[in-house]
Amino acid sequence: NAGVMQNPRHLVRRRGQEARLRCSPMKGHSHVYWYRQLPEEGLKFMVYLQKENIIDESGMPKERFSAEFPKEGPSILRIQQVVRGDSAAYFCASSPLSPGGLGDTEAFFGQGTRLTVV
Amino acid sequence: GENVEQHPSTLSVQEGDSAVIKCTYSDSASNYFPWYKQELGKGPQLIIDIRSNVGEKKDQRIAVTLNKTAKHFSLHITETQPEDSAVYFCGKSGGRANSKLTFGKGITLSVRP
Repeated sequence: NAGVMQNPRHLVRRRGQEARLRCSPMKGHSHVYWYRQLPEEGLKFMVYLQKENIIDESGMPKERFSAEFPKEGPSILRIQQVVRGDSAAYFCASSPLSPGGLGDTEAFFGQGTRLTVV
Repeated sequence: GENVEQHPSTLSVQEGDSAVIKCTYSDSASNYFPWYKQELGKGPQLIIDIRSNVGEKKDQRIAVTLNKTAKHFSLHITETQPEDSAVYFCGKSGGRANSKLTFGKGITLSVRP
């Protein structure tokens, strides 16, 4: 059973370009989280998705950032018109459905995508 | 209610000593508390977790304790080894529908050989 797969591992974009980060959850997992990590900082929550549904996007910047988790295929974090401040490591985690629906299941992380905006 | 406070921010111990890392939270509904270890250049790895219906859980040299009344939980590492050096994150979630997993800011543990 493969773990959470993120690609690309490294992504370089010029200012103003678009960045697309992909996350394939573990088999059987229906929940996906995205986090941003700046150097020597913690894991900042961005968005929580279930298949075809955004559950909580309270950590997403209001502009330029969007996320989706379609019925088929990986979850995508999209950053439009990137700026230097978007440079960071972006991590995805997946978890299975909580039996009680109360969000208390284990989440497993991918290796991250390191975005550099030049 | 979403925050998890983690302290200290850095911790240095001598190889063989024990290390204790503590986290506090304010949302009394939270019922799931995982700990992650992140090595340089890698993704966080789940090392142990605890649910609110137990007070302590142990796995070899690692243990986690939970005090629901005081709203804090701690990671205990005994007989530390240089390979334990990493950043450790505590997290919390659960207790309500669509609860999200959030983390403390992390602690850098250094084990001196």
